[in-house]
Amino acid sequence: SYVLTQPPSVSVAPGQTARITCGGNNLRNEHVHWYQQRPGQAPVLVVYHDDERPSGIPERFSGSNSGNTATLTIRWVEAGDEADYYCQVWDSRGDHPGWVFGGGTKLTV
Amino acid sequence: EEKVVESGGGLVKPGGSLRLSCVGSGFIFSNYDMSWVRQAPGKGLEWVSSISTGGTYIFYADSFKGRFTTSRDNAKNSLYLQIDSLRAEDTAIYYCARSANIVLTGSIHRWFDSWGQGTLVTVSA
Repeated sequence: SYVLTQPPSVSVAPGQTARITCGGNNLRNEHVHWYQQRPGQAPVLVVYHDDERPSGIPERFSGSNSGNTATLTIRWVEAGDEADYYCQVWDSRGDHPGWVFGGGTKLTV
Repeated sequence: EEKVVESGGGLVKPGGSLRLSCVGSGFIFSNYDMSWVRQAPGKGLEWVSSISTGGTYIFYADSFKGRFTTSRDNAKNSLYLQIDSLRAEDTAIYYCARSANIVLTGSIHRWFDSWGQGTLVTVSA
């Protein structure tokens, strides 16, 4: 099945820009979605379809997808952005379609 | 407000069974595919199963075939997950998630646009 690879951790100072990557074979041919999971809380969709933001998500959150890497960018990082972030694609290959998640990246602010 | 709420978790002995429930409100439940996602303590998200709007199509991740059974009752706006022969490694938070999708150039792309708060299943003697 398709594999998504994320760095285990990323650290950034408040006010700076955080970039969280998600790698996969020919990932540019997929559409990547991103979830934020704050400690003790359920995941929340922050970016879908590579670069679209759901209503209520600040413009500081943006996404891109090129080559073998998708990137979630968080500008003007705040303490409240500290969370685990997961990328996800829909894998329609073969006989067993399904959702695939990356291993998650812990963002430390 | 659109939301989904899980219930049914708890402490179960190895070998036991459990039925998790999820109730949707604030949206037309029967219009959406629904899914279960699992998160073991300190681990990442793992997709378990999904069911189509009318319940005709049900998908399971390979790791969850056999002991896990997903169903829904649209009249009750409810999604269910039956877990049999529970093992210690099934200890996790189980989330109910609403699926969204788009078809582009003949390919479908899916994601989860709404999640419940989860229900904790603990398997221990």
